[in-house]
Amino acid sequence: QKEVEQNSGPLSVPEGAIASLNCTYSDRVSQSFFWYRQYSGKSPELIMSIYSNGDKEDGRFTAQLNKASQYVSLLIRDSQPSDSATYLCAVIGATNKLIFGTGTLLAVQP
Amino acid sequence: DGGITQSPKYLFRKEGQNVTLSCEQNLNHDAMYWYRQDPGQGLRLIYYSQIVNDFQKGDIAEGYSVSREKKESFPLTVTSAQKNPTAFYLCASSISVKETQYFGPGTRLLVL
Repeated sequence: QKEVEQNSGPLSVPEGAIASLNCTYSDRVSQSFFWYRQYSGKSPELIMSIYSNGDKEDGRFTAQLNKASQYVSLLIRDSQPSDSATYLCAVIGATNKLIFGTGTLLAVQP
Repeated sequence: DGGITQSPKYLFRKEGQNVTLSCEQNLNHDAMYWYRQDPGQGLRLIYYSQIVNDFQKGDIAEGYSVSREKKESFPLTVTSAQKNPTAFYLCASSISVKETQYFGPGTRLLVL
């Protein structure tokens, strides 16, 4: 089992729809969770961080964390073509190292 | 402007050659990291440094070396022992190892 798992996609959504990106992790003692966006050929940029159970909203983005289910998700409301990118889920676990998933490719269709 | 810079943007390595990738930050961060990204794979940790004059191996340190003589700088050397060096190399920094990491623009290394 991978430490951080994501569906590689592509996830295709129409413009204006809600995109839902999911991530599961294996280390139960993980305390810090991050979503990064990576455009093709560019470096990752931080979208959201979340540390406690529940929802955290920032503009069109909402991160959701459920530690009991070892599940973290990212919702993007009113998806735009400029949101088309690979979204990386990352988790800091017991080793204090940031472990990345392989990313989900999101394609927003105009 | 505060941030992380990496140079060069592209680097070409000949067989048997050592090459050094530069990473500089002016964020006053204590921790710095080097990752490698290959197509279809997540980022993999090469080396990290929690503080000046200290660094630890990550998951794929073989064939690489680092130094941390200044807080602002964390150069990575890809040695001739690294047999498959073609990848996108990313430097990151954070206030401490448990905090949010921010990435530089990356260096793409290609083998001639």
